[in-house]
Amino acid sequence: NAGVTQTPKFQVLKTGQSMTLQCAQDMNHEYMSWYRQDPGMGLRLIHYSVGAGITDQGEVPNGYNVSRSTTEDFPLRLLSAAPSQTSVYFCASRVSGANVLTFGAGSRLTVL
Amino acid sequence: AQSVAQPEDQVNVAEGNPLTVKCTYSVSGNPYLFWYVQYPNRGLQFLLKYITGDNLVKGSYGFEAEFNKSQTSFHLKKPSALVSDSALYFCAVRVGNTPLVFGKGTRLSVIA
Repeated sequence: NAGVTQTPKFQVLKTGQSMTLQCAQDMNHEYMSWYRQDPGMGLRLIHYSVGAGITDQGEVPNGYNVSRSTTEDFPLRLLSAAPSQTSVYFCASRVSGANVLTFGAGSRLTVL
Repeated sequence: AQSVAQPEDQVNVAEGNPLTVKCTYSVSGNPYLFWYVQYPNRGLQFLLKYITGDNLVKGSYGFEAEFNKSQTSFHLKKPSALVSDSALYFCAVRVGNTPLVFGKGTRLSVIA
């Protein structure tokens, strides 16, 4: 039981490049979400999903896309990276209706 | 809209002394309240939660928190701080099945 797995752990991009942050969980959790963590800002919700085929926007969705084709996977796509997207990204999941989010270890992204 | 305030960016306490990390919240409805801890270069770990029932909840590593509805607070406490408690602490709130909203975090430094 690996929990929530995020890849890559570190990534450096140039402005305008695209990439996908991967998130996978093996706990059969219906709910999955992406947060970004910036100094002094806490964690801000980017997108979330309550089940396969269903996604919704959080507080800071601009510049990011998501999809949820399976229960296990919830990738976060940056179509055209900007320096403002330099951050640490966390994926988290939970059983729908339950209350505790389980977090991945994070992905540190730098956009030059 | 839901919101969480952690009024102190930094809390310093001597080892062996009691510690308090403050949290206040604003919601419409009955809140579910959480504390998470983040150690350097790690993801967030769940400490404790209040859903309903007893206002004093106990969690991992000797931490506890008291739900105070009239003051809309959920302060984190520990009777005797350890150097190993030094970390970043996040308070979070949700109502029903809505996404979890985090405060900006409080950095706890326990000095030997």
